[in-house]
Order: sequence, then structure tokens, then C-alpha cells
Amino acid sequence: SQQGEEDPQALSIQEGENATMNCSYKTSINNLQWYRQNSGRGLVHLILIRSNEREKHSGRLRVTLDTSKKSSSLLITASRAADTASYFCATKFQGAQKLVFGQGTRLTINP
Amino acid sequence: DAGVIQSPRHEVTEMGQEVTLRCKPISGHNSLFWYRQTMMRGLELLIYFNNNVPIDDSGMPEDRFSAKMPNASFSTLKIQPSEPRDSAVYFCASTPGRRTDTQYFGPGTRLTVL
Repeated sequence: SQQGEEDPQALSIQEGENATMNCSYKTSINNLQWYRQNSGRGLVHLILIRSNEREKHSGRLRVTLDTSKKSSSLLITASRAADTASYFCATKFQGAQKLVFGQGTRLTINP
Repeated sequence: DAGVIQSPRHEVTEMGQEVTLRCKPISGHNSLFWYRQTMMRGLELLIYFNNNVPIDDSGMPEDRFSAKMPNASFSTLKIQPSEPRDSAVYFCASTPGRRTDTQYFGPGTRLTVL
């Protein structure tokens, strides 16, 4: 399967701590994106990193990409209760238009 | 901007009935995607359109599923006849154009087939 795989499947931390989620994929990509899904809602785009980029920041989010290891990580710093959601990585493979989503990491921030 | 609009938000129907899900993409967006999300299978791409033309329908599970996009502002996903295993949340997403990969998702339609 070309599907990205997130690790861990579930993560529970205390408010204020940092949360790290990982994504691995199998074939060469054009870019990798991270999305958030709150319970009962649609997915919301967070950040996109291209295959020639190694790190990207957006507010409290930091994404890294290691194309040699075919992996990416999403770091959320100083977590808040509102960050409780499922987080998905999505890969766009070279030559394709569609995105392939992983199974997601369910993040719970405890007050 | 109203975002991607889907209707209905919830649908409960009986096995064998026809179900039609509707989507209005963001104005000016050229690509539209239909997804299905279940606990077991995660988020699956069913079909996508570029400029109202179906490009890849390899994810459509069976002939019972069909999708149309008669114009740039409207798309339907139809299931006929519906089965209990079709119960899922169906999402529609759109993107501004072929050079932009960010997808904008609608709120989804939760379908329950009894």
C-alpha cells in the first residue's frame, strides 16, 4: 500500500507539553501535508512541506521531512486543550494529483 | 467564503434505498474529491474531478456507486441500492487548481444504512 502510516495511533499528554507524531511512506513524493480533524468535523489543512524542504514552521507547529528515510514528523509545542483532535499525514506522489491519507494519530490533551 | 458545503449532514435510510449526497465546492476551485471515512478503513478516496471531468474513479467500491459533476458548482454521489456496509461519513473536498495541492474539506455527510 502507498498509504502513509502514522505513529503512534493514539497519544495522550498534559496541557503545555509537546506532542510529536510521525508519518512514514513508501514511494517518492512530491509533497507531504498534515491535516487536523476535530470530532465530527471535516479535515483542516495545517501545513505542507515539499520534497526539497527539510523543515517548516507555522506558529506552534514544526514539520520535518526526511526523504531518505521516507518519514515526516509533526511537532506541536506548548499543547492546548483545543489541540485535541486526530492528525493525518497525506502524501502526494510524484506524477499523481490525488492525496493518500494515513490512518491518523488521535491526540488527547489533558488539562 | 462559505467553504465547501455538503448536504444532507445526516442521512438515515433503509437497505435497498437510493441515497444521494450533494456537494458544492468553493467557488473558483477546479478540482473536487469524494472521500469515505470509516473506523476500519480510514479515509478512502472514491473519485475526483478536474474541471467537472472524472479523472480517477478507481476508489469507487462497486457499480452501486456513481458520481456526477454537471457543473463547476455542484456534484453528487449516489448509492443505489444502499447496503448497511455503506454506512460511513462521506466527505467532499475541493482545491483551487492543479498547481495547488491543499484540499478544503466539507463538514461531511454521516450516512447510516439500516
